[in-house]
Amino acid sequence: SQKIEQNSEALNIQEGKTATLTCNYTNYSPAYLQWYRQDPGRGPVFLLLIRENEKEKRKERLKVTFDTTLKQSLFHITASQPADSATYLCALVSGTYKYIFGTGTRLKVLA
Amino acid sequence: GAVVSQHPSWVICKSGTSVKIECRSLDFQATTMFWYRQFPKQSLMLMATSNEGSKATYEQGVEKDKFLINHASLTLSTLTVTSAHPEDSSFYICSASWGASGTDTQYFGPGTRLTVL
Repeated sequence: SQKIEQNSEALNIQEGKTATLTCNYTNYSPAYLQWYRQDPGRGPVFLLLIRENEKEKRKERLKVTFDTTLKQSLFHITASQPADSATYLCALVSGTYKYIFGTGTRLKVLA
Repeated sequence: GAVVSQHPSWVICKSGTSVKIECRSLDFQATTMFWYRQFPKQSLMLMATSNEGSKATYEQGVEKDKFLINHASLTLSTLTVTSAHPEDSSFYICSASWGASGTDTQYFGPGTRLTVL
């Protein structure tokens, strides 16, 4: 069956360190993958998109990698800050228009 | 740019009543709009996809007669939860895309918290 897993439901990290979140999938061939940030009681906010033929994408302190062989995407936040604390969702776009979301990882950056 | 709004942000209703949620794209024309439902500590689950001027496409297991979707214009889609029951209590989120296929980036609204008593 098709499955998307984000490592650890929750991740605590010290301010200034790099946070690394993982998104693994099985039985999909995604055209591309996106990462979103969701704060409590709010809708997701788009962060980064990476296509299947791209290995890495960067935006300010954010970096995403996409390994279609391993069926995995890694999301990095460098020099993390308490304001980065939120739930981060990965979403696969496969075939048609459907977005398939992972369950999210709650990141907490400790001051 | 690419701002999507939802109204209301929260609503409490009695069991058996109907509730309408609006989703608007404020600064772009949304060819495709999506409706999701999110239960606590769970991910977003796609309920249906609507294209302006045509009938919505519902995901498996979503009752189309219970969740009525209307996409009357390129900036407005509505979701009506008919005869709501406590199990319909959830966080409903819409998103909008200007791509015809919806594979373009989706921009999400802030969500509507529905509580059915």
